[in-house]
Amino acid sequence: AQTVTQSQPEMSVQEAETVTLSCTYDTSESDYYLFWYKQPPSRQMILVIRQEAYKQQNATENRFSVNFQKAAKSFSLKISDSQLGDAAMYFCAYRRGNRDDKIIFGKGTRLHILP
Amino acid sequence: EPEVTQTPSHQVTQMGQEVILRCVPISNHLYFYWYRQILGQKVEFLVSFYNNEISEKSEIFDDQFSVERPDGSNFTLKIRSTKLEDSAMYFCASSGYDANTEAFFGQGTRLTVV
Repeated sequence: AQTVTQSQPEMSVQEAETVTLSCTYDTSESDYYLFWYKQPPSRQMILVIRQEAYKQQNATENRFSVNFQKAAKSFSLKISDSQLGDAAMYFCAYRRGNRDDKIIFGKGTRLHILP
Repeated sequence: EPEVTQTPSHQVTQMGQEVILRCVPISNHLYFYWYRQILGQKVEFLVSFYNNEISEKSEIFDDQFSVERPDGSNFTLKIRSTKLEDSAMYFCASSGYDANTEAFFGQGTRLTVV
């Protein structure tokens, strides 16, 4: 069975600094997708970034980038120039390559931004 | 930008009552999902739905739960006889035909069972 592990329940970072959230996953599949979702206090799930397993290049979205290490099954999220609005719960997630498959979430990392 | 809409945003119900949570997925999407998040815990998969039938369901999705797409636009989750432990945030999601499209989540319905 596929699993997603986030070993950091909480993290803090100074505003404008860079922070990295860790995630590891376990799967025997070769075709899959990895995601980072942000959940602010409103509790809506917002997709931050997505990585296709077949792509070697790490995904980047503005201040958000990932370090995808396929052999190590590691998928970390780097947030550069942290802003107060980045404070939220961040979930790492996995989905097999089948288009109708469910998303499996990690337990989340709560990120605090210190002004 | 298209979005998934859920109603109500918050529902309070008495234990043993039936509740129906409603979702309007993105119009051209074909795959629909319900997830649950008990306060402070991880987001858990409940059920996926495609072509008017359940594709997959988790152990959580027992006989008390059912899903329906009654009119081609709404996607509902019914809990027949609510228990205190059903109190959670319920998220609806939908995705398109292309496997490259991610799932879009609604804003959630907070269900409180008293």
